Amino acid sequence: GAVVSQHPSWVICKSGTSVKIECRSLDFQATTMFWYRQFPKQSLMLMATSNEGSKATYEQGVEKDKFLINHASLTLSTLTVTSAHPEDSSFYICSAATPTGTGNTIYFGEGSWLTVV
Amino acid sequence: LAKTTQPISMDSYEGQEVNITCSHNNIATNDYITWYQQFPSQGPRFIIQGYKTKVTNEVASLFIPADRKSSTLSLPRVSLSDTAVYYCLVSGYSSASKIIFGSGTRLSIRP
Repeated sequence: GAVVSQHPSWVICKSGTSVKIECRSLDFQATTMFWYRQFPKQSLMLMATSNEGSKATYEQGVEKDKFLINHASLTLSTLTVTSAHPEDSSFYICSAATPTGTGNTIYFGEGSWLTVV
Repeated sequence: LAKTTQPISMDSYEGQEVNITCSHNNIATNDYITWYQQFPSQGPRFIIQGYKTKVTNEVASLFIPADRKSSTLSLPRVSLSDTAVYYCLVSGYSSASKIIFGSGTRLSIRP
């Protein structure tokens, strides 16, 4: 079945540095991908919609200059956390949808743990 | 965007059937209902999807009444490994449809 893959699975970075997380659709093309963040024992919170070939659209309260999203191809979206701080430590998850027999099925990546020290 | 409401938590025992109900009163005509399972430190995993009536696969059944304002995920004969958070999502047909997560249901299975 359709698979969405993220890399890295976990990353530790120093405060003030930037870190990039990749999201790939492995066997289908995705013109739209979504980025979420999740804190422990909480639900997923939508951060932004990544649009292939155009600017991402961000949810209210999400800083676009801090969370840079690039969707340069139909199978790859990247999230760059710039000037990371400890409060950016979280679990980041991406998703993409593909048509299936019953409609549109959304697949999620494995998630990426970011720890800022 | 259709909002979903689920019980925050449920408990059951191994071998029992578990039914988790989700309310989505403002579901749109073109929206589908999909259920996901999430284990700690993993992305949500697809369980089942449907539009109306009943859908069954090898791991679960999904019951959707005629008005589609709710849906029930049925897990037959649960085991300890079914302990997880279960999310009900409502989404449109377009791949660009945004998904807003509700709280999910934290299911705990006991021996």
